[in-house]
Amino acid sequence: QVQLQESGPGLVKPSQTLSLTCTVSGASISSDGSYWSWIRQHPGKGLEYIGYIYYSGITYYNPSLKSRIAMSVGTSQNQFSLNLNSVTAADTAVYYCATTLQFRNDVFDIWGQGTVVTVSS
Amino acid sequence: QSVLTQPPSVSAAPGQKVTISCSGSSSNIGNFYVSWYQHLPGTAPKLLIYDNNQRPSGIPDRFSGSLSGTSAILGITGLQPGDEADYYCGTWHSSQGAVFGGGTKLTVL
Repeated sequence: QVQLQESGPGLVKPSQTLSLTCTVSGASISSDGSYWSWIRQHPGKGLEYIGYIYYSGITYYNPSLKSRIAMSVGTSQNQFSLNLNSVTAADTAVYYCATTLQFRNDVFDIWGQGTVVTVSS
Repeated sequence: QSVLTQPPSVSAAPGQKVTISCSGSSSNIGNFYVSWYQHLPGTAPKLLIYDNNQRPSGIPDRFSGSLSGTSAILGITGLQPGDEADYYCGTWHSSQGAVFGGGTKLTVL
């Protein structure tokens, strides 16, 4: 079965770049129809959509974060990544990677367990 | 402030039925499908309902979804202690991408 696992530093300094990787097992990141997505949850808050990358490189970013985001796909490692630059304390959150129902970008059927990222000096 | 509005908490006794509402607008629920997710803290969220009322394989029929205008409802019957979790609705927004509710904490008394 498909599994996703986030990895990356748990602590990032303000103004630096947050870099996370999601490793996919049980499926190919080059599968047609899968939108590889990132979602975060601030402490005590609801879920916030970050965006997705398609295996071809097509991306969609949340307009509120668009100027600070870059996503990429690593087909040889079967991974996809998130870079969020110029971070502040407001970026402290649990970050989830997820994939979607095939050929859908709005239904997240497989999620990772999440990784906690704290922005602090 | 979440785009979709959910009650912060609901509760009911084991074996009873509970409903969780999710209120949106014509920019989201009114024109796009709604999904529901179950989340136990520290674990991966689980898809319960998609396309307003469809259950993925493996989700029991105790879980149901419905839609009325710009509001969606998640229903859970035959409540079990294991249903105690946070529940989130989600949909697409015409200018913001995927949007979610603030979550509802279900307590099984």
